[in-house]
Amino acid sequence: DIQMTQSPSSLSASVGDRVTITCRASQSISSYLNWYQQKPGKAPKLLIYAASSLQSGVPSRFSGSGSGTDFTLTISSLQPEDFATYYCQQSYSTPSFGPGTKVDIK
Amino acid sequence: QVQLVQSGSELKKPGASVKVSCKASGYTFTSYAMNWVRQAPGQGLEWMGWINTNTGNPTYAQGFTGRFVFSLDTSVSTAYLQISSLKAEDTAVYYCARRRVYSQMYYFDYWGQGTLVTVSS
Repeated sequence: DIQMTQSPSSLSASVGDRVTITCRASQSISSYLNWYQQKPGKAPKLLIYAASSLQSGVPSRFSGSGSGTDFTLTISSLQPEDFATYYCQQSYSTPSFGPGTKVDIK
Repeated sequence: QVQLVQSGSELKKPGASVKVSCKASGYTFTSYAMNWVRQAPGQGLEWMGWINTNTGNPTYAQGFTGRFVFSLDTSVSTAYLQISSLKAEDTAVYYCARRRVYSQMYYFDYWGQGTLVTVSS
């Protein structure tokens, strides 16, 4: 099975900050990588699919990059509604999620 | 618009069974596979498996065989998750999620609101 790791596990940031979250796969997964946002008590929401494609309706401040084993999710200018937990997920083989990165207010 | 609406919270005793429903609307139910994802309290997301909505054939992830059953009623566009012989460690929020295929890749583009199953004596 492919293991996913994320760093950092949590971060504190201010509105307007540029935020970068890293996801690493235990083996190459090409671009089979998706990103989700989850707010407390809510279902996950798809942000990015295929490593860098923005899901319809998602603000353009979110972007994804990477291929192979290393991927990043970038929020160019953090907004109040972006405080949440972010998960990466690979679909190269049996699906698996990263452990999550919690973004909270500094 | 696409919606997945799940059944309400459940409180069950150890050893009992529970059946969670996920009713789809706004799209052709049999055109997209349905997946199930578990989230234990304060924990991350764990993929449980999926069901082919055309054939009804389920696939279970490791750790979700035996007591977990995925089923369908295509006449009402609904997927079901049944868990038998409930244990305290089954306490979690269970999500259904639609799988969308994109150029050999796939992702979960719509999710149900989640169903909290609490197992306690």
